Amino acid sequence: GQNIDQPTEMTATEGAIVQINCTYQTSGFNGLFWYQQHAGEAPTFLSYNVLDGLEEKGRFSSFLSRSKGYSYLLLKELQMKDSASYLCAVWNSNYQLIWGAGTKLIIKP
Amino acid sequence: IAGITQAPTSQILAAGRRMTLRCTQDMRHNAMYWYRQDLGLGLRLIHYSNTAGTTGKGEVPDGYSVSRANTDDFPLTLASAVPSQTSVYFCASSDSSGRDTGELFFGEGSRLTVL
Repeated sequence: GQNIDQPTEMTATEGAIVQINCTYQTSGFNGLFWYQQHAGEAPTFLSYNVLDGLEEKGRFSSFLSRSKGYSYLLLKELQMKDSASYLCAVWNSNYQLIWGAGTKLIIKP
Repeated sequence: IAGITQAPTSQILAAGRRMTLRCTQDMRHNAMYWYRQDLGLGLRLIHYSNTAGTTGKGEVPDGYSVSRANTDDFPLTLASAVPSQTSVYFCASSDSSGRDTGELFFGEGSRLTVL
């Protein structure tokens, strides 16, 4: 089967750095996505990785290793507004989007 | 209208009733999707449409139907609602089939409770 694994919940401190991991097993690979979802709201796009390496976008960075089936989302200089769920999703060979259950990030002052 | 609009935002429904969730986008995106989101599970695709006039089944299509008469509208119908269809439903769209940018644009969601 196809599956995406990410931690259910993480806690971090305001101003710190946190890394949210995602491992995947899918039938083929055409890219990996990270979305942010605040409670009661719609998911919003954060990043897309299709090649190995690190993509940096402001305080957020996303890393991909295709050989390891692994990605992480790195959030720097955490702010209270970063409290949200972070969803990892993978495009398989048929461009079917497989979603992880999401990681709930709790930021403490 | 800006982006994707879903209606209703929330609904309580008796089992056995018919219900249509509406979704309209003004971005002229070709592809549209319906997902359900349940606690502890990832988003699950119900139905999708790559272009007006065509639809396809997703991961969990049973008990749901869709139509795509034009580019902007993609309603989801529950013919006879059951309690297991209690969920938050998200409509989403992307340009082309999403293969260029991959970015999905989501509506604000419709919270449906079936009693």
